[in-house]
Amino acid sequence: AQRVTQPEKLLSVFKGAPVELKCNYSYSGSPELFWYVQYSRQRLQLLLRHISRESIKGFTADLNKGETSFHLKKPFAQEEDSAMYYCALRAETSGSRLTFGEGTQLTVNP
Amino acid sequence: DGGITQSPKYLFRKEGQNVTLSCEQNLNHDAMYWYRQDPGQGLRLIYYSQIVNDFQKGDIAEGYSVSREKKESFPLTVTSAQKNPTAFYLCASRRGAYTDTQYFGPGTRLTVL
Repeated sequence: AQRVTQPEKLLSVFKGAPVELKCNYSYSGSPELFWYVQYSRQRLQLLLRHISRESIKGFTADLNKGETSFHLKKPFAQEEDSAMYYCALRAETSGSRLTFGEGTQLTVNP
Repeated sequence: DGGITQSPKYLFRKEGQNVTLSCEQNLNHDAMYWYRQDPGQGLRLIYYSQIVNDFQKGDIAEGYSVSREKKESFPLTVTSAQKNPTAFYLCASRRGAYTDTQYFGPGTRLTVL
C-alpha cells in the first residue's frame, strides 16, 4: 500500500526567507503527486500537481522518483502563505483515491 | 467552492446515537468522497462513490455507512459502532476522470458527548 509522510508537523519561517515543506512517499509504481492547502477558515483546495509542472503563488514542487520525494518550495515566503499544507498521492492502481500525508502547519512570521 | 455544501457546521450528539452528516453538490460531479481529518493524522478516506447507487469502503470505513441515491447527495452516517467519532469530517467531489481535481466542502465538526 502507498504511504505519504510529511516529517514536519510545524514549520516556522520569517517573511522573505525561503521555505521548503517536505513530502516523502512510498509507492512502487508511477504516482501522481499533489499539494493541497488549507488557509485559516477556508476550504481545503488544490495548490499544485506535479503533472502540471506549474508555479502557483510562487510555490513549486518537483517529483524526485529516485528519492521518492515531492517537496514544496518557495524562495521568499509571505505572511499570507501561513496555512496547513497536505501532500497527497494518487496511485495508478487506486483509481481516483488519494492518500494524504499528516500535514505541515506553516507559519510565516513578520 | 459554493458548489459543495456540508451541514451543519457543528454537530453535537450523545454517545450511542447515530448521526447523519449531509453533503450536497451542484457541480454535476460524478464522484464523491468522505474524509475524516484528525490533528497529526491528515485526511483519511472513509467512503467514496464513483457513480450513483455505487460506493466503496475507504481506509477507515468501520462504524460508518453511506448512500448515493442521487448524484448530488452523499450523506454519511456515523453509527454508534464508531469507537472514536469526534472529528472533523470533510466531503469532496470530482468531475469525471481519475486525474480531475477533488473539490472540498467546508466540513462538519462532530462532537460526541
